Amino acid sequence: DQQVKQNSPSLSVQEGRISILNCDYTNSMFDYFLWYKKYPAEGPTFLISISSIKDKNEDGRFTVFLNKSAKHLSLHIVPSQPGDSAVYFCAASSDSNYQLIWGAGTKLIIKP
Amino acid sequence: DSGVTQTPKHLITATGQRVTLRCSPRSGDLSVYWYQQSLDQGLQFLIQYYNGEERAKGNILERFSAQQFPDLHSELNLSSLELGDSALYFCASSPTAGAGQPQHFGDGTRLSIL
Repeated sequence: DQQVKQNSPSLSVQEGRISILNCDYTNSMFDYFLWYKKYPAEGPTFLISISSIKDKNEDGRFTVFLNKSAKHLSLHIVPSQPGDSAVYFCAASSDSNYQLIWGAGTKLIIKP
Repeated sequence: DSGVTQTPKHLITATGQRVTLRCSPRSGDLSVYWYQQSLDQGLQFLIQYYNGEERAKGNILERFSAQQFPDLHSELNLSSLELGDSALYFCASSPTAGAGQPQHFGDGTRLSIL
């Protein structure tokens, strides 16, 4: 049972435009949601997180939105830059179970 | 550089063998996590240690075991290896064991079973 789903395996966006990466979850008990970026041959790198008591968190070009009723979160990157080309993972955890549950990832390609 | 060191970077071995993967966490981090990533899939949580004690267990096979030593480095032991164990194995660390805090990842060990 996939508790965290990233339904788009890949996404192509023009440089300078907005990239929107989506993530859906099934477990309403999740308390925290995190986004990671991964380049080839490297480990994932933490980008931004949000707790379930908020609906938005912003850090520079990155904003995460959480819609609890829809069990959906999204990561917005504005403006998109060539260095943003990577695989993006969303992950979730709860205070009752510290395990991070990961989505399968979305490969973002920024076109010049 | 995340500050998490994993060795070796690559490991090639045969079915039935046993291997040990090593992880040194970031300075000051007490919690260590192990993950397995098979081809084009998300990371699967295996096990977590906090200050030398097992804290949480995921879908870790009985053939796999781990420990965290007094100097806080950790080892993941994989035995009776099967072809399906071929994967990337990541180690991550965080300052404490709580939920929601970012984990910092090493670059992984790529295990290939022939």
